Amino acid sequence: DVKVTQSSRYLVKRTGEKVFLECVQDMDHENMFWYRQDPGLGLRLIYFSYDVKMKEKGDIPEGYSVSREKKERFSLILESASTNQTSMYLCASSPRGAGDDEQFFGPGTRLTVL
Amino acid sequence: DAKTTQPPSMDCAEGRAANLPCNHSTISGNEYVYWYRQIHSQGPQYIIHGLKNNETNEMASLIITEDRKSSTLILPHATLRDTAVYYCIVRVGEGFQKLVFGTGTRLLVSP
Repeated sequence: DVKVTQSSRYLVKRTGEKVFLECVQDMDHENMFWYRQDPGLGLRLIYFSYDVKMKEKGDIPEGYSVSREKKERFSLILESASTNQTSMYLCASSPRGAGDDEQFFGPGTRLTVL
Repeated sequence: DAKTTQPPSMDCAEGRAANLPCNHSTISGNEYVYWYRQIHSQGPQYIIHGLKNNETNEMASLIITEDRKSSTLILPHATLRDTAVYYCIVRVGEGFQKLVFGTGTRLLVSP
């Protein structure tokens, strides 16, 4: 059974803290993605990676960085968390195919920054 | 920017067919129509996609008009567990392409 897991369902951090969100997929997928979801704004792409050690900026990369040291793991890092980064964070993966492949999503991490 | 337009909400009685419309009047010839859904407190789940022809799988059917400017997702026998937000997305099928989610249609299936 296909699976994308995220390290936490709920997380509460303080302003200025460094935050790590971990995502692991067991499908041997090349592509991995980080989105954030906010009411009225839909899902917005933060970063994506199409191979180990490769990363590309999405639509809203400011304030975030990522790490992909192993194929199955893609980490999202908030270097200094701010209240406007309170959001639902979703990780996804997809195989490197013809481009019309589906993305598989994790359950999400709801991050609150106080 | 989302390239699709969907009604914000719809209701459906349990056991009846749910027909969810989507307008994508600016769709290009090589862009696929994708449908995902998101059940409360879960990540989005892929449902179906198509280019020109109608498609059917175990979850749903996708009807695309001949001019490809609109499509309809059909859940043939809606259940309470189909209550979710349904997203219609268009994307190019070649190479890497991100998904651009709009605000979707909130489908409520009632007993």
